[in-house]
Amino acid sequence: NAGVTQTPKFRVLKTGQSMTLLCAQDMNHEYMYWYRQDPGMGLRLIHYSVGEGTTAKGEVPDGYNVSRLKKQNFLLGLESAAPSQTSVYFCASSYSRSRGAGEQYFGPGTRLTVT
Amino acid sequence: AQKITQTQPGMFVQEKEAVTLDCTYDTSDQSYGLFWYKQPSSGEMIFLIYQGSYDEQNATEGRYSLNFQKARKSANLVISASQLGDSAMYFCAMREGKLKAKGAQKLVFGQGTRLTINP
Repeated sequence: NAGVTQTPKFRVLKTGQSMTLLCAQDMNHEYMYWYRQDPGMGLRLIHYSVGEGTTAKGEVPDGYNVSRLKKQNFLLGLESAAPSQTSVYFCASSYSRSRGAGEQYFGPGTRLTVT
Repeated sequence: AQKITQTQPGMFVQEKEAVTLDCTYDTSDQSYGLFWYKQPSSGEMIFLIYQGSYDEQNATEGRYSLNFQKARKSANLVISASQLGDSAMYFCAMREGKLKAKGAQKLVFGQGTRLTINP
């Protein structure tokens, strides 16, 4: 049981390049989320998904796109990377029903640098 | 306006002492949830404890307890008998609105407190 995994762990991009971050979970969670964490700040929600084939915008969605073609996977895309997107990206997942706290389980993070 | 405020950027505590990490929140919802997460230097986010707005008792999980003062809108994390392994960033987060059967939990995080435990 790997929990939530993220690929890659590190990436360096040049301005204008594109890339996709992959998140996978093996807990059969309905909900998945992408956050970014910048120095001195807490996590901010980029996009989220309440189920296969559905996505929605979070607090800071500009410059990102997402897709949830399979229940276990949630992809985050950067079409034209900018230095302002240098950050650590976290994926998370949670149950769909009110089991206990409904807490989110996080992946290990992807450190992205855009030069 | 900040929804979650953690006023202590850093704290230094002697091993075995108790420590309180402050968190205040701002919401007009009657139903909400409050979470604490730990982020060690390795970077992963670890769920510690949860308090629902309608929970009458303060939440406890082992050495962690949540001092929930609803009228003051505060949800402080208390760690008893601190250990060296408790050194980490700690984040308070809030989910506004009810925990629904069909509805994602959107969390808002504070800026975090860096806790250092000295031997």
